Amino acid sequence: DVKVTQSSRYLVKRTGEKVFLECVQDMDHENMFWYRQDPGLGLRLIYFSYDVKMKEKGDIPEGYSVSREKKERFSLILESASTNQTSMYLCASSSGQVRQPQHFGDGTRLSIL
Amino acid sequence: SQQGEEDPQALSIQEGENATMNCSYKTSINNLQWYRQNSGRGLVHLILIRSNEREKHSGRLRVTLDTSKKSSSLLITASRAADTASYFCAPSYSGAGSYQLTFGKGTKLSVIP
Repeated sequence: DVKVTQSSRYLVKRTGEKVFLECVQDMDHENMFWYRQDPGLGLRLIYFSYDVKMKEKGDIPEGYSVSREKKERFSLILESASTNQTSMYLCASSSGQVRQPQHFGDGTRLSIL
Repeated sequence: SQQGEEDPQALSIQEGENATMNCSYKTSINNLQWYRQNSGRGLVHLILIRSNEREKHSGRLRVTLDTSKKSSSLLITASRAADTASYFCAPSYSGAGSYQLTFGKGTKLSVIP
């Protein structure tokens, strides 16, 4: 089975801090994704990557950046955390075939105080 | 963003009953996928139906697709308390980025024992 592991289930940070969320997948998937999930808004795509060192903006990239130095790891960076970035963050991966199912981690619930 | 839209937003049924959730989408799709999310967890892929398919089964799940109406439905037969979760449809649009899915806001299903 595909395993997507997010480094923390819960995280509490302060306004202005630089925050790193880490995601690792073990299935040699080409594609990796970061979403945030908020009540009433569903899942919104922040960034995705289809190859090492490649990244594409999703629907809501402002305030975020990403890093993909190795195929199995995709990091989401909050450059200067703000309270409106308090949310559930979900990482996913999929194979390089187009439009394939995505495999999700269990999420990181991030609170910015 | 061209999310799928699930209907109803919430559904409460007794154990043993069938549950039907609907999804509407905007333009031509390559495929449509359904996912489940248990409370506080990541999404789990349930079933994928291609645009040239009309119906697909997986265990107690039955998915239909009507491309003329741009709609899909997910039927869960003989529901169990363990089916309590949120269910999301994710249309994969023909003209969009090859790797992206657009998730709706979900239907929250409660199965009462």
